[in-house]
Amino acid sequence: NAGVTQTPKFQVLKTGQSMTLQCAQDMNHNSMYWYRQDPGMGLRLIYYSASEGTTDKGEVPNGYNVSRLNKREFSLRLESAAPSQTSVYFCASRVRGGSTDTQYFGPGTRLTVL
Amino acid sequence: EDQVTQSPEALRLQEGESSSLNCSYTVSGLRGLFWYRQDPGKGPEFLFTLYSAGEEKEKERLKATLTKKESFLHITAPKPEDSATYLCAVQGSPNDMRFGAGTRLTVKP
Repeated sequence: NAGVTQTPKFQVLKTGQSMTLQCAQDMNHNSMYWYRQDPGMGLRLIYYSASEGTTDKGEVPNGYNVSRLNKREFSLRLESAAPSQTSVYFCASRVRGGSTDTQYFGPGTRLTVL
Repeated sequence: EDQVTQSPEALRLQEGESSSLNCSYTVSGLRGLFWYRQDPGKGPEFLFTLYSAGEEKEKERLKATLTKKESFLHITAPKPEDSATYLCAVQGSPNDMRFGAGTRLTVKP
């Protein structure tokens, strides 16, 4: 049981380049999330997917797109990277039911845009 | 707009010295308040979910409490392995999960 996995772990891009961050979970959770974490700031929600086939914008969606490929996978795409998108990106899956409401986070992708 | 403020930013304790971390929040319709632990270079690890004022939850040396305006994470007799950044988050609307900037806890032996 690997939990939430993210690839790549590190990435350096030049301004204007595109890339896709991959995320997969093996816990059969319906909900998945993408966050970014910047120094001195809390995690900020980029996009989320409440279930397979649905996606919704979070607090900071500009410059990003997402795809919920199936129940396991939720990818984040940067079409034209900008230095302001230098950050650590975390994917999470969420389970809710009864008194349980828990998010499980991946190890993160550290992205630098030059 | 929902807001979360955590204090202090950093806290240094001696092993065994109990203390509390604060999470103040404003949210329209609290759906849940969450505490996480984050070690350097890793993703956050879930600790607790609280739903309503007066609720308390415990896990080993940690106890989380909730009022209508704030939550406390009490750490009793901490050990060096409790050193980490502790994050608080609140959810109001379905598409709005707000995190605080965190409290960086260091426990010296």
